[in-house]
Amino acid sequence: GAVVSQHPSWVICKSGTSVKIECRSLDFQATTMFWYRQFPKQSLMLMATSNEGSKATYEQGVEKDKFLINHASLTLSTLTVTSAHPEDSSFYICSARAKGRGEAFFGQGTRLTVV
Amino acid sequence: SQQGEEDPQALSIQEGENATMNCSYKTSINNLQWYRQNSGRGLVHLILIRSNEREKHSGRLRVTLDTSKKSSSLLITASRAADTASYFCATWRNRDDKIIFGKGTRLHILP
Repeated sequence: GAVVSQHPSWVICKSGTSVKIECRSLDFQATTMFWYRQFPKQSLMLMATSNEGSKATYEQGVEKDKFLINHASLTLSTLTVTSAHPEDSSFYICSARAKGRGEAFFGQGTRLTVV
Repeated sequence: SQQGEEDPQALSIQEGENATMNCSYKTSINNLQWYRQNSGRGLVHLILIRSNEREKHSGRLRVTLDTSKKSSSLLITASRAADTASYFCATWRNRDDKIIFGKGTRLHILP
C-alpha cells in the first residue's frame, strides 16, 4: 500500500511552453502534498506545500506564479511550470502525506528538460 | 538554511566494509527518515525512526537518533557494489509540519 504515482516520468518541452506534472496517491487519501525540486548532484529543495482545497504555501524564493500548484482532491495534486525556461530544467518530486498518519510517501519523480 | 547537514558529503569504501553517514538537523522533529537515490532516479525509502526511538535496524542498516544532539547516523554493514548511491536524511519538523532533506552523502563502493 501507500503508492504515489507521478506522471510523466520525463518530459522535454520548448522554452516558453507550460508543463503539467501530476501526483496521485493511489491507495490512500493525502491531506498534504509536498513538491520538491532537485538540481544535478544536489539535494531535494522543498518548493511548496499544498493542502486539499486550499492554496499552496510556497517556500521563500519560489515564484508562485511560475509554479502553479493545484490540490483539487484528496488523491491528486498538480504542479504546472508556466513559461518554462532552460533554467527550470530539473528533477521534480512530489510527496503525499497520508491522512491520519505521520508518514509521507514519494513519487518517482519527473525529469523536466526545457530546450 | 532549509536543509540539515550531512557528513561526509562523499564517501568511498571497499566492498565488504561498513559505511557510516551522519545527519544533523536544527529544530524539533517528529521523525527522521533515510532515503537512497540512485543516479537520476527516484527516492527509495530505507528506514524511519521516530523521535522517541534511539536505534532501529533493518537488514544491513542500523539507524541511531540522538535528539539531544539533533543528530542521526546511518550504518550500512558489509557494503555491496549495489549500495553505491546518494543517501539523504529527511526530518519531519514539528514547527511547520514539513519534511526537509539534508544535503546528502554520495557513497561509492569500490570493487
